[in-house]
Amino acid sequence: EDQVTQSPEALRLQEGESSSLNCSYTVSGLRGLFWYRQDPGKGPEFLFTLYSAGEEKEKERLKATLTKKESFLHITAPKPEDSATYLCAVQAWETSGSRLTFGEGTQLTVNP
Amino acid sequence: DAGVTQSPTHLIKTRGQHVTLRCSPISGHKSVSWYQQVLGQGPQFIFQYYEKEERGRGNFPDRFSARQFPNYSSELNVNALLLGDSALYLCASSQGPRGTNEKLFFGSGTQLSVL
Repeated sequence: EDQVTQSPEALRLQEGESSSLNCSYTVSGLRGLFWYRQDPGKGPEFLFTLYSAGEEKEKERLKATLTKKESFLHITAPKPEDSATYLCAVQAWETSGSRLTFGEGTQLTVNP
Repeated sequence: DAGVTQSPTHLIKTRGQHVTLRCSPISGHKSVSWYQQVLGQGPQFIFQYYEKEERGRGNFPDRFSARQFPNYSSELNVNALLLGDSALYLCASSQGPRGTNEKLFFGSGTQLSVL
């Protein structure tokens, strides 16, 4: 059974204070690892897909990296508008294309 | 272009009742998936439909069913509601059944409360 564990559950940062969120996973055969952002009362918003160990992707203040066992979402010099819940999900090769297994998320709060 | 639209946005039901949730995918997208998100947890996969056929089913009881229409919109039905069915129900659309760059676009969800 595919499993995703995210840590920490909650993270509070000061504006400009860089940090990283962790996503550990076990999957029978990794097709893709996804990062989403979710604001309160909204659906998840796609951020990144990573496919193989060593891959990195960047978008503004966010950078996602992938190893064979975990992924990190690095947040550089965060701003209050980065406050949200960040969800990690994996997709296995043998499952349907839309079947993602999500972690419970990390709730990030960035104080001004 | 409109994103994924879901209706209603909020719903209150009592135990034992039946509920129907609706979803319209992004124009051009042929695949619709349904997820359940309980407060404080990540979304859990319920169903995927592509070209009106079920392509995947998660670990949910038979009280949960879905269908997709010729215009690619979809309905999720839940019978004999239980208190534990209270959750945010998310619909996601994508272009195909298993694209190498398949990206899911989520709607804002239907918040279901069962009393």
